[in-house]
Amino acid sequence: AQTVTQSQPEMSVQEAETVTLSCTYDTSESDYYLFWYKQPPSRQMILVIRQEAYKQQNATENRFSVNFQKAAKSFSLKISDSQLGDAAMYFCAYRSGDNFGNEKLTFGTGTRLTIIP
Amino acid sequence: EAGVAQSPRYKIIEKRQSVAFWCNPISGHATLYWYQQILGQGPKLLIQFQNNGVVDDSQLPKDRFSAERLKGVDSTLKIQPAKLEDSAVYLCASSLASSGNQETQYFGPGTRLLVL
Repeated sequence: AQTVTQSQPEMSVQEAETVTLSCTYDTSESDYYLFWYKQPPSRQMILVIRQEAYKQQNATENRFSVNFQKAAKSFSLKISDSQLGDAAMYFCAYRSGDNFGNEKLTFGTGTRLTIIP
Repeated sequence: EAGVAQSPRYKIIEKRQSVAFWCNPISGHATLYWYQQILGQGPKLLIQFQNNGVVDDSQLPKDRFSAERLKGVDSTLKIQPAKLEDSAVYLCASSLASSGNQETQYFGPGTRLLVL
């Protein structure tokens, strides 16, 4: 079974600075997807960024980018120019590339990000 | 485009009572998921539907939980009877398909259940 580990329960960063959230995963599959979701206090899970394992290029979405190291099974999220609205729980999630009944997301335990004004 | 809708947003019940949650996925999304998120943890899949058929319910406690997706659109999740450990947020998610860059899951706002 796949596992996702987020070793940083809490992180904080000064507004406008850069912060990196860590995620590692364990899998024997070669085809899969990785996601970062943001969950603010309202509890709505919002997709931040996604990465296909077959792509070598790291995904970017405006101020958000990932460092995907497939061999090391590492998938970190970098947030540049941090804003107050970035404060939330961030979850790393894994999805198998198998499309035959194994599409569920496996989540890590989350990292609570605090933005310091 | 409207997002995933869920109701109610909050529910408080006593143990051994029953409760039902409703989810309306994004229009046209064939796949629907119910996740349970216990405080301090990441969400865990309870059940996955493809249209109105069950794809994965291996983590669903079938002695007390049931779910259906009639007509392949809306879905309800029921707990009967509830236990204290069922206190959690129940998240519904949907995806357009299960492959081909359409597998991204979009989540609703969740239903927070407190069992006393």
